[in-house]
Amino acid sequence: DAGVIQSPRHEVTEMGQEVTLRCKPISGHDYLFWYRQTMMRGLELLIYFNNNVPIDDSGMPEDRFSAKMPNASFSTLKIQPSEPRDSAVYFCASSFRGYNEQFFGPGTRLTVL
Amino acid sequence: ELKVEQNPLFLSMQEGKNYTIYCNYSTTSDRLYWYRQDPGKSLESLFVLLSNGAVKQEGRLMASLDTKARLSTLHITAAVHDLSATYFCAVDMTYGGSQGNLIFGKGTKLSVKP
Repeated sequence: DAGVIQSPRHEVTEMGQEVTLRCKPISGHDYLFWYRQTMMRGLELLIYFNNNVPIDDSGMPEDRFSAKMPNASFSTLKIQPSEPRDSAVYFCASSFRGYNEQFFGPGTRLTVL
Repeated sequence: ELKVEQNPLFLSMQEGKNYTIYCNYSTTSDRLYWYRQDPGKSLESLFVLLSNGAVKQEGRLMASLDTKARLSTLHITAAVHDLSATYFCAVDMTYGGSQGNLIFGKGTKLSVKP
């Protein structure tokens, strides 16, 4: 298996623009997680899905952030409008059953100017 | 609110020495995970500890979990340069559940010098 796939790997955008991050989990995994990593706040769980259903989105910072999982092999994290403070590395991870190890994707480095 | 504290946050070691990284957490949980992150890279799973008293070893690293003390340790034996990385512990806050809602510590940046 290719592991968790994320795209794009790098994104540079201007404040106010819409940003869409994409994730393909490992086939057969039933949990999908979105994280954000910054120097100031460390690794934060934003939202996670079980069998394509959002379970907990309490980590989503604001209404500007939204996430969807239309099927078992694809998820998006959207920021609209983007702000400079959204600059971070965004990781997607997946696991088989919630208690097993999570496999992380390579991350998307987002820079909002 | 679950808090996860790691110490030390920075660790400079000499090759061949032993050391322990500590991970304390503030509320009941029975699942703890250790990850490694190299600079500019993603996170790699090292250990999954799912019960009190769990001990796992891989190479020069050994992890243990004491759920009563709310403490996990990552012990490094005879450190080598290749172990230089940042190590994170993460605690599942859904006690008794199994949903992978992890709270991460701030990480311990390990540097192993010759």
